[in-house]
Amino acid sequence: AQSVAQPEDQVNVAEGNPLTVKCTYSVSGNPYLFWYVQYPNRGLQFLLKYITGDNLVKGSYGFEAEFNKSQTSFHLKKPSALVSDSALYFCAVRDDNNNDMRFGAGTRLTVKP
Amino acid sequence: ETGVTQTPRHLVMGMTNKKSLKCEQHLGHNAMYWYKQSAKKPLELMFVYNFKEQTENNSVPSRFSPECPNSSHLFLHLHTLQPEDSALYLCASSQPGLGYEQYFGPGTRLTVT
Repeated sequence: AQSVAQPEDQVNVAEGNPLTVKCTYSVSGNPYLFWYVQYPNRGLQFLLKYITGDNLVKGSYGFEAEFNKSQTSFHLKKPSALVSDSALYFCAVRDDNNNDMRFGAGTRLTVKP
Repeated sequence: ETGVTQTPRHLVMGMTNKKSLKCEQHLGHNAMYWYKQSAKKPLELMFVYNFKEQTENNSVPSRFSPECPNSSHLFLHLHTLQPEDSALYLCASSQPGLGYEQYFGPGTRLTVT
């Protein structure tokens, strides 16, 4: 079965600095990878996805993620963090053999002014 | 967030009560999902409906009973719940298929007393 790991519970960055939120996955077939963000008292919002094609995927709010097959990773990045980016970020994966979307436990990003 | 709505937003119920959660999507999707989100745990997929047919039931206790009368509406009927069922219940919708992202409602915060 597919699984996803977010090794950091918490990431702290200063405003204006680049940010990275890490995600690694395990699948038996081809991976379909997603990032979501959750603000307080809200549902999850879709940010970006990798299905096929270019390894660098661009998404909403200036976020991007790089698919690395050899390292089975899909890290979320942004060149310059904003205080408003502070939220809970979830990585998720599906594969060819299982329709269920598996979510990571989430990483809380805090951007300090 | 107006694409997927959930009511009520907050619910407090006793262990002997019966209540229902409602979800409605206005996105023309044909797949709908119920998730449970508990503190410091990954999202737990509870039920999946594709074209109004239930296709997943991830070992959810029978005190949770889903209903999907059409592709736009999804209910979760609750009865004789336990305090450990207190959580945020999220509804999501998508087009069926591996590469499609899910769109989430704001959730119902359930407290079982």
